[in-house]
Amino acid sequence: GENVEQHPSTLSVQEGDSAVIKCTYSDSASNYFPWYKQELGKRPQLIIDIRSNVGEKKDQRIAVTLNKTAKHFSLHITETQPEDSAVYFCAATTTGNQFYFGTGTSLTVIP
Amino acid sequence: DAGITQSPRHKVTETGTPVTLRCHQTENHRYMYWYRQDPGHGLRLIHYSYGVKDTDKGEVSDGYSVSRSKTEDFLLTLESATSSQTSVYFCAISDNSPLHFGNGTRLTVT
Repeated sequence: GENVEQHPSTLSVQEGDSAVIKCTYSDSASNYFPWYKQELGKRPQLIIDIRSNVGEKKDQRIAVTLNKTAKHFSLHITETQPEDSAVYFCAATTTGNQFYFGTGTSLTVIP
Repeated sequence: DAGITQSPRHKVTETGTPVTLRCHQTENHRYMYWYRQDPGHGLRLIHYSYGVKDTDKGEVSDGYSVSRSKTEDFLLTLESATSSQTSVYFCAISDNSPLHFGNGTRLTVT
């Protein structure tokens, strides 16, 4: 099956700086890549996603990039705010119905 | 919130006892999933269902069974709970769409 690796496992940034989280995947047939944010004690929630026919997608301060050749995708958060502090998970799927997750990145934004 | 309800939200049980976790959805989504979440391991798929009475194993299915007798309900059973099954369990649903998660069940096996 698919193997998704996520780095770094922890990340601290100053408020206002940018944060980047990277994921690699093993199955070249994977074609959909969602990102989830999980606040402490809460459920994971979808924040942005990208399909394999697109190289980049933006939503306000959040962007995701995809490099199919290298089989990696990244989450970019600009102008970070304390409320961005959470655990972020990447995922990949080939079928749209079996999702494989990275191990998560704990992001801390220091005021 | 997507219409997903997990019950119970918290449970403490003893080693060797059976435990059933319930997931109920009101979205009429075809696919339902059970994940467990542990520090350092992220979200790992236990079992999933692609229709009534249609289920399949995920990557960490040993020690777990599931049943789906109705579209809206997906049950996860630990036949004989072990301490290694102490975890947070999330139900999720999808229909060729992003996963939407329930609020989770925190299970402690003593």
